[in-house]
Order: sequence, then structure tokens, then C-alpha cells
Amino acid sequence: DGGITQSPKYLFRKEGQNVTLSCEQNLNHDAMYWYRQDPGQGLRLIYYSQIVNDFQKGDIAEGYSVSREKKESFPLTVTSAQKNPTAFYLCASSESGDTGKQFFGPGTRLTVL
Amino acid sequence: KQEVTQIPAALSVPEGENLVLNCSFTDSAIYNLQWFRQDPGKGLTSLLLIQSSQREQTSGRLNASLDKSSGRSTLYIAASQPGDSATYLCAVRPGNYGQNFVFGPGTRLSVLP
Repeated sequence: DGGITQSPKYLFRKEGQNVTLSCEQNLNHDAMYWYRQDPGQGLRLIYYSQIVNDFQKGDIAEGYSVSREKKESFPLTVTSAQKNPTAFYLCASSESGDTGKQFFGPGTRLTVL
Repeated sequence: KQEVTQIPAALSVPEGENLVLNCSFTDSAIYNLQWFRQDPGKGLTSLLLIQSSQREQTSGRLNASLDKSSGRSTLYIAASQPGDSATYLCAVRPGNYGQNFVFGPGTRLSVLP
């Protein structure tokens, strides 16, 4: 089945640690995205990548980093510089061409202990 | 800057009712608009995507309409069921293709048996 997978489903981080969230897609999409979702708020864009080996900052990139070495993979690292990282993180990819339809993974819930 | 709002924030209806969810956006120059469903603790599932040249899209009991000139979209759910209970989000893609999606905060729907 085609889709987007994220791992782990739950992640706990101690203060001062860096953690990496995995996102993999087999939809053959060029564009991939990372969003953060907090209770009662809409999704906020962290980083996006339109093509392999290229990525751009979104609205709330501070304290996060990404890489895009393969078309299928777009991992997100939450660094110790991110002061309030507890949130639900969603990875997405989108079709190119006329539709630009966006598809989402199941999410990773990150909690800082 | 494009902003997206959704009213109401929450809605409870008895099973079997027809209902309408609203999405408003501030800039009418959009490429497309997508409606999503999100169950608690899960990722987003795409329901309908409307291109800027279209007026509506239908899938089963769902019908989404788009009025770009007034900056509004509605999601109509016919004969609601308890399984429709979820948060519904809309997202617009600004008219300059390549710009990223802007999400509304969502409407939390409860359908009571």
C-alpha cells in the first residue's frame, strides 16, 4: 500500500537532548513537509522540501533541522534549542502537477520530560 | 498574508442531521482548497480537494463548495452518523503555485447517537 509512515508513534525527550523523527513515503512525491500541531491551533509549517537535496524554512523553523538525501525520506531533528517541543508532529507529502493534493502520515507525539 | 478561519470551533448534533461546516480565507487568489478529517491522536485524512476553477466536489455523503470571490468554502455532511465525529480542517494553497498550504484551526464535530 502506498502511503506515509512516521516513527516512532510516541517519543519522550529529556531536557537538552536532540531527537530525530522519521518520515518515509512511497508515493513518489517530490514535495514533503513537517508540521507541528498544538491543542486548539491549526497546523504550523516547520520545514518543507520541494525536491531532493533542497529544503526551506517554514514559519516556525527555529530549534529544528531537516535533511532530504533521498526522495522517500525527510527526517526532522528537534534540537535542544527548541524551548517548547512538546507537541504532535505531522509529516506530509504532496502531488505535483495540477492537483497538489496533500497526504499525511499518522503523526508522532513528542513529550519533554 | 493568507489567513484561514473556521466557524464554529465545535459543534454537536444528533445523529441523522444534515450539517454545514464553514471555512473562510482572506485572500481569494488561491490555487486549491482541501478538506481534511482528523480523528483524535491521528494524522489527517483527505476528504475533498477543490481546484480554484471548480465550484464544488462530492464524495458520498460529503459535498464541498467553493466561492472564491467571497473567500468561503462549506463542507456539507448529509445524514450525519456517530462515525463522522472528528475534527474537520480546511487548508488553502495560495495562488502562486509552490507556496505552501495554510490551515484553519478546525471544527470539532460530535454526532450524538
